[in-house]
Amino acid sequence: DGGITQSPKYLFRKEGQNVTLSCEQNLNHDAMYWYRQDPGQGLRLIYYSQIVNDFQKGDIAEGYSVSREKKESFPLTVTSAQKNPTAFYLCASSIPGITEAFFGQGTRLTVV
Amino acid sequence: ILNVEQSPQSLHVQEGDSTNFTCSFPSSNFYALHWYRWETAKSPEALFVMTLNGDEKKKGRISATLNTKEGYSYLYIKGSQPEDSATYLCAPRMGYGNNRLAFGKGNQVVVIP
Repeated sequence: DGGITQSPKYLFRKEGQNVTLSCEQNLNHDAMYWYRQDPGQGLRLIYYSQIVNDFQKGDIAEGYSVSREKKESFPLTVTSAQKNPTAFYLCASSIPGITEAFFGQGTRLTVV
Repeated sequence: ILNVEQSPQSLHVQEGDSTNFTCSFPSSNFYALHWYRWETAKSPEALFVMTLNGDEKKKGRISATLNTKEGYSYLYIKGSQPEDSATYLCAPRMGYGNNRLAFGKGNQVVVIP
């Protein structure tokens, strides 16, 4: 089955530790996205990538880093510089252009 | 940061009633507008992708219109049902070939049986 896989569904980390969230897709999509959701905030764009080895900052990139070494994978690292890392994170992908995006199931990160 | 406004942010609708809400975005350099439905405990799913001024799209009881000259889109739900309870998200794409997809805060709809 084609789709986007985010793992794990729930993730707990201690404050001050970096953590990497996984996003893998087998839809052959060039564009991939990372979003963060907080209560009352909707989906806020962290980073996006239009093609392998390329990515751009979204609206709230501070404290996050990404890589796009393979078309299928777009991991997001939440660094210790991110002041409020506890949130729900969604990954999405699409064919570049005006086509719809497809979303993963999300990862809920809790930093204690 | 792209200014995308969705209003009202939250609404309660009696089952059987119709409702509508708005997505406003900058009118210059418009490329496309996406609407998604996000149900609790599920992933967002695409409803419509619209590009042309005056375009109207329909999916069951849900329809959307687009005005690119003034920078807004309406989403209508006719005869609301409990399964329509969800957050409806819009995301304009600005600039031809721009793949940046940034959403508004959403319209949270609760249909009361």
